[in-house]
Amino acid sequence: AQRVTQPEKLLSVFKGAPVELKCNYSYSGSPELFWYVQYSRQRLQLLLRHISRESIKGFTADLNKGETSFHLKKPFAQEEDSAMYYCALRTSGTYKYIFGTGTRLKVLA
Amino acid sequence: ETGVTQSPTHLIKTRGQQVTLRCSSQSGHNTVSWYQQALGQGPQFIFQYYREEENGRGNFPPRFSGLQFPNYSSELNVNALELDDSALYLCASSWDSNEQFFGPGTRLTVL
Repeated sequence: AQRVTQPEKLLSVFKGAPVELKCNYSYSGSPELFWYVQYSRQRLQLLLRHISRESIKGFTADLNKGETSFHLKKPFAQEEDSAMYYCALRTSGTYKYIFGTGTRLKVLA
Repeated sequence: ETGVTQSPTHLIKTRGQQVTLRCSSQSGHNTVSWYQQALGQGPQFIFQYYREEENGRGNFPPRFSGLQFPNYSSELNVNALELDDSALYLCASSWDSNEQFFGPGTRLTVL
C-alpha cells in the first residue's frame, strides 16, 4: 500500500534548537518526495523536493531508501518556522500525490 | 501573474444534494489537481487533469467527477452528498509535472 506517515502531530522546540520532522513512506516504485509547509493564514506551498537536493530557509531533507524515510531537518529553529508541515509522495506515471497527516511545528521564544 | 483562485469560499449543502466547486489555474499552467482535506488530516488526492483529460485518480467514488476547460480552469462535482464529504477542497495547478501551486480552498459543510 502507498502511504506516508508523519508520527508526530505536534513538535515544540525552543528557538535555536535543532529540528527534525519525521516522515516515512511506503511505496513499491521509485518515489518522489516533497515537503510542503502551511504558515498561519497562508496557502499550502512547496518547501522542498528531494530531487533538487537544495536547502530552503535552512531546511534540508535526505531521501533514505533503505529506511524509506525523508526527514526534514534544520540545525537552528527560528520563530518564523512555526507552521504546519506535510510530507508528500508522488507516484511515478500517474502523478498522484499522497500526503501525510502533517506535523505542527511550534518554535518557542 | 495571478495565482490559483477557488470559488466559492464557503458552501453549505444538505445530504443528497449536488455541488460544483470551481478553480482557476495560475496563468500558464496546464495541469490541475483536486484534493479533499478533512479536519486534522492531510490533503487526499481526488484526481488530476492534464490538458482536459483525467490523468490520475485517488480512492474516491465515481460521484466525485471533474472537468478541465480549454483555458485550463477546472470544476469538481460531487453528487449525492454525504455528511463525510464535509471538508476543505483544495485545487492546485502546475505546468506539466512541475511545482504545484495551491489555491485557498473551498470549505464545504454537508448537513
